[in-house]
Amino acid sequence: AQSVAQPEDQVNVAEGNPLTVKCTYSVSGNPYLFWYVQYPNRGLQFLLKYITGDNLVKGSYGFEAEFNKSQTSFHLKKPSALVSDSALYFCAVRDYYNTDKLIFGTGTRLQVFP
Amino acid sequence: GAVVSQHPSRVICKSGTSVKIECRSLDFQATTMFWYRQFPKQSLMLMATSNEGSKATYEQGVEKDKFLINHASLTLSTLTVTSAHPEDSSFYICSARPGAGANTGELFFGEGSRLTVL
Repeated sequence: AQSVAQPEDQVNVAEGNPLTVKCTYSVSGNPYLFWYVQYPNRGLQFLLKYITGDNLVKGSYGFEAEFNKSQTSFHLKKPSALVSDSALYFCAVRDYYNTDKLIFGTGTRLQVFP
Repeated sequence: GAVVSQHPSRVICKSGTSVKIECRSLDFQATTMFWYRQFPKQSLMLMATSNEGSKATYEQGVEKDKFLINHASLTLSTLTVTSAHPEDSSFYICSARPGAGANTGELFFGEGSRLTVL
């Protein structure tokens, strides 16, 4: 079955430190991978995606993600965290059998402390 | 990026009434829109796929008579929660994808609608 796993419910990091939010996936065929961010009582905002090409993908607000095929991972990273990065982050993969659909992970709450 | 507008952002209603939530793509046409439900501290659950000019496709376990979806135009889909009950209280989010070009899977989301049923 296709799935996305975000093993950490919450990640805490001090402002200025690097952050990593983990994501692993299981999908048929080549994966189309996405990261979204959700602020309280808001919809989801697109951060970045991997379709093909360079394994390191750069996105909005200084975030980047590294696609690792052998480890089936797509971890979200940022070199220097900001307090304003505190939010809920979702990893998603496109459904191989229904390309209109995205399969979401359970989300990871990022808390950046001043 | 493309803009999806959702209205209302918050609604409180009495048990037994119906509530309509609108989802509009403001600067693109969307032949397909998606409705999600999000429970507190949980991920998004896809409820249904809304297809312009045809019936919506509901996910397993979602009552189509309870959650009526209408996609009457290329820029508007509506979700009506009929005879709402407190257990229907949730955060409902719509999303859409621009219809033109290759389907690379990127979705644009509305701001969400928080429904509270008293």
